[in-house]
Amino acid sequence: EAQVTQNPRYLITVTGKKLTVTCSQNMNHEYMSWYRQDPGLGLRQIYYSMNVEVTDKGDVPEGYKVSRKEKRNFPLILESPSPNQTSLYFCASSSLLAGAYNEQFFGPGTRLTVL
Amino acid sequence: EDQVTQSPEALRLQEGESSSLNCSYTVSGLRGLFWYRQDPGKGPEFLFTLYSAGEEKEKERLKATLTKKESFLHITAPKPEDSATYLCAVQSYTGNQFYFGTGTSLTVIP
Repeated sequence: EAQVTQNPRYLITVTGKKLTVTCSQNMNHEYMSWYRQDPGLGLRQIYYSMNVEVTDKGDVPEGYKVSRKEKRNFPLILESPSPNQTSLYFCASSSLLAGAYNEQFFGPGTRLTVL
Repeated sequence: EDQVTQSPEALRLQEGESSSLNCSYTVSGLRGLFWYRQDPGKGPEFLFTLYSAGEEKEKERLKATLTKKESFLHITAPKPEDSATYLCAVQSYTGNQFYFGTGTSLTVIP
């Protein structure tokens, strides 16, 4: 089954404690992305990756890191989480065909609370 | 700056009462406009991609249309199971980012 998986689904942590949210896709997609979703602000792109070893900032990259060492995985790292990073996070992937972006497949989401 | 505005924020319809959702956008060269459906607590689910003005796509009770400034998602004779938040997103030729609107929360009352 084609899917994007994220772990963990729920996480409560404290300010300053480093954490990683994993994302994996089994569709051999080139494009992967992380979003955060906040009430009234919608989905905002944090980082995206066009392919292995290629990453770029989205609209809200401050406080986040990513890496793309393998095509299927795109972890999101919060090295020193703060309460304003409390949010619902989604990973997504998409194939690229002749420069055209196809639909994004989204993971189930990770609800993060930073105390 | 690329921007997407969706209206209305919320919409309540009686079952069978057709209506339209609006997505206005400002981009420097539209590469694609995307519609997604999101159920509470879940990730967005893809509905349509539109690439050029005049293009239309249909799926069951949903029809998406595109002009140079906006897109409409028409819902014909909606059913309670159509209740969800509908998201619009755009991508421009100047970058590889996606910009989402804040969505329209649709409730269809039996």
